[in-house]
Amino acid sequence: DAGVTQSPTHLIKTRGQQVTLRCSPKSGHDTVSWYQQALGQGPQFIFQYYEEEERQRGNFPDRFSGHQFPNYSSELNVNALLLGDSALYLCASSLYTDSGNTIYFGEGSWLTVV
Amino acid sequence: QKEVEQNSGPLSVPEGAIASLNCTYSDRGSQSFFWYRQYSGKSPELIMFIYSNGDKEDGRFTAQLNKASQYVSLLIRDSQPSDSATYLCAVKGPGGFKTIFGAGTRLFVKA
Repeated sequence: DAGVTQSPTHLIKTRGQQVTLRCSPKSGHDTVSWYQQALGQGPQFIFQYYEEEERQRGNFPDRFSGHQFPNYSSELNVNALLLGDSALYLCASSLYTDSGNTIYFGEGSWLTVV
Repeated sequence: QKEVEQNSGPLSVPEGAIASLNCTYSDRGSQSFFWYRQYSGKSPELIMFIYSNGDKEDGRFTAQLNKASQYVSLLIRDSQPSDSATYLCAVKGPGGFKTIFGAGTRLFVKA
């Protein structure tokens, strides 16, 4: 049973550049959420995708955008990178019909902006 | 007021003791409650979820929920050094899609 997979695991970008992070949900899941976790903090909700649409968005600027594909995989795009965007980016998947909405995380993508 | 609050710790307990981790939440309509464990440099992994008032036990872990007090706790019995990690409390509210996390409590279990 494949879990949540993310790529790349580590990357370094320069201020002003753009980055794309990718996620494949756990087998059987149809919903993908993205979180940002800065050092020493809890994960912060960026947005959630279901049926290829953004269902809810957290307090993140429009520089953060996403997409979900028909196979339920998802991408997170961040434009005009700032030093403060350096963080662990976590993808979490769930099943929309699960009333408890239990989410399961991938290993994350470590982004360093220099 | 933060939506989910946890004592940042660190909480230090000797091996074999009971570790008690606490969490409060602000949205009285919250319906689902979760505990995740996060080792340094790793992603969070689900330990337990609880939906109803009372206790829920799974092995050495017991989650306790009191909706009237807006309080969730996690007890770890017979704590082991391998339990040393950051424990994240998470809450999902009604009508929304996001799961909200606290900042986490660091636990150290001393051998």
